[in-house]
Amino acid sequence: GQQVMQIPQYQHVQEGEDFTTYCNSSTTLSNIQWYKQRPGGHPVFLIQLVKSGEVKKQKRLTFQFGEAKKNSSLHITATQTTDVGTYFCAGRQRGGSQGNLIFGKGTKLSVKP
Amino acid sequence: DSGVTQTPKHLITATGQRVTLRCSPRSGDLSVYWYQQSLDQGLQFLIQYYNGEERAKGNILERFSAQQFPDLHSELNLSSLELGDSALYFCASSASGDSYNEQFFGPGTRLTVL
Repeated sequence: GQQVMQIPQYQHVQEGEDFTTYCNSSTTLSNIQWYKQRPGGHPVFLIQLVKSGEVKKQKRLTFQFGEAKKNSSLHITATQTTDVGTYFCAGRQRGGSQGNLIFGKGTKLSVKP
Repeated sequence: DSGVTQTPKHLITATGQRVTLRCSPRSGDLSVYWYQQSLDQGLQFLIQYYNGEERAKGNILERFSAQQFPDLHSELNLSSLELGDSALYFCASSASGDSYNEQFFGPGTRLTVL
């Protein structure tokens, strides 16, 4: 079935280290969204990428959409303890149901102070 | 606060029972989505409604059903509950029914089936 794969599943870093999570789809995506879920919380929208090769930045966070629109990445520079949580990517595969985003399983980030 | 409300916050019930989870979308949002999140699992899309009509269906079991009412609130009905149905159920809403809108998630309902 339709899948969006996300790696790694877990990442433990020392505060100040960088962190990257990758999202891959076997088919072309129309768009990709990234969400963050803090422990005990609900997913919160971070950003959306639509164009091939698009790069967007939010302070220490850099989001990329691959040229083929089949993969995406989220990179955090110099992690802080406030970055702790699970990061999900979600994309709509071309030909998929109009509103149906397929979520990856997420990358759980822990940051050691 | 996302503006999406879900009730109840917690629900504990027994196998074989039936429960109803309720969701009120953000003011003005026409689309409602239901997701299931099991321990250490991602968000499994269940179903989407747009302005009262079913728009998309995911891996929703036949024992589960949902609807969206004229006032746009939605209910997810889970019947013949099994232990494996224990999970966090999220409702999300968006302005329109397409995937280009961000989704606003509610706080979730934690269902425990004993």
